Amino acid sequence: EVQLVQSGAEVKKPGESLKISCKGSGYSFTSYWIGWVRQMPGKGLEWMGIIYPGDSDTRYSPSFQGQVTISADKSISTAYLQWSSLKASDTAMYYCVRHSQGAFDIWGQGTMVTVSS
Amino acid sequence: DIQMTQSPSSLSASVGDRVTITCQASQDISNYLNWYQQKPGKAPKLLIYDASNLETGVPSRFSGSGSGTDFTFTISSLQPEDIATYYCQQYDNLLTFTFGPGTKVDIK
Repeated sequence: EVQLVQSGAEVKKPGESLKISCKGSGYSFTSYWIGWVRQMPGKGLEWMGIIYPGDSDTRYSPSFQGQVTISADKSISTAYLQWSSLKASDTAMYYCVRHSQGAFDIWGQGTMVTVSS
Repeated sequence: DIQMTQSPSSLSASVGDRVTITCQASQDISNYLNWYQQKPGKAPKLLIYDASNLETGVPSRFSGSGSGTDFTFTISSLQPEDIATYYCQQYDNLLTFTFGPGTKVDIK
């Protein structure tokens, strides 16, 4: 079964760092781009960025450039999304997605990140 | 940047009704348009890719059409399990993506 399994929910304080993960299985992880999508509470979907695990080529949405870092470790079929200094406005559900010919055909279950003092 | 709009933002319809959602791009995107369904508390699911192609396993009551700047998503006969928010999403050859704001569908 093709799936993306994300790490569990996180509760952090403003200013803390965080790295969440997304592990792919059931397909060739290095052959598909992996993206990240943010959904703030009660809001819509926002594309953040995308990485090609085969060579770590990474693209960011202008809205998220410099705010987060996307990386991947192809040896363990895992992509990451990280923050160096969290803000309360980073509170959201984060989904990793597999990109196939323009569409996000496989979605992770989501990781809820709560940032609160 | 390409902007996406959807209308309506929400709708209520009866079981069996035909439901139509429109999505408009701020510039010509050819058929680079996908549709997703997000049920409450769940991750989104791809329904339609490249404007009109049904993803494998998706019921045939869902369909999509359009090209250029104007697109339509249709549920031919609304079912109780179709209660969800529906998003359009455009993509381009530079691997940038934009979602529409979503349309919430309820049962009347």
